[in-house]
Amino acid sequence: DVKVTQSSRYLVKRTGEKVFLECVQDMDHENMFWYRQDPGLGLRLIYFSYDVKMKEKGDIPEGYSVSREKKERFSLILESASTNQTSMYLCASSPGQGVHGYTFGSGTRLTVV
Amino acid sequence: GENVEQHPSTLSVQEGDSAVIKCTYSDSASNYFPWYKQELGKRPQLIIDIRSNVGEKKDQRIAVTLNKTAKHFSLHITETQPEDSAVYFCAASLGSARQLTFGSGTQLTVLP
Repeated sequence: DVKVTQSSRYLVKRTGEKVFLECVQDMDHENMFWYRQDPGLGLRLIYFSYDVKMKEKGDIPEGYSVSREKKERFSLILESASTNQTSMYLCASSPGQGVHGYTFGSGTRLTVV
Repeated sequence: GENVEQHPSTLSVQEGDSAVIKCTYSDSASNYFPWYKQELGKRPQLIIDIRSNVGEKKDQRIAVTLNKTAKHFSLHITETQPEDSAVYFCAASLGSARQLTFGSGTQLTVLP
């Protein structure tokens, strides 16, 4: 019944490594989003995409990039991981061209050491 | 951009009492206001939402109210139960944008 799948539940990476976080949805949703969740800060938007090959910066894009080569897959890339990127990363998707509630993935807890 | 403030950050209530969580938003063009519940170790899940053309919406023990003039909206949970214990997030969307801006979350604890 899982509709938004994040490839890893826990990851530990070293400072300076390139990190890929994968998200796949099977609901044929147009819109996909990456957020990071930190205590006391809620969910902050990193990047989002409304269509294949399309991407837009969110509120905190620095140090991140994304790729959306297929409609169902949205990847978050940490070009050179740093300790301040230790966080919970949540992927979400939503349907259509208007605004709708999200379906979230179960999250990836990334620790950068 | 949009800014969403959420209060309180923590809330403890006795089982059976009501709980109210409030959010304010900054942009009068915001038109969609969902609420999410996140249980410990789980993904956030949509529990109720409201659009700007509606003032109140109910679903069993939960309700959301919207005051567009004051730019605030609230989540009301009646007859709270221990399984209502979770972190609750409000969110708002701006105009035609499809992305949501979230509040900082409220940890609700229902004491048996």
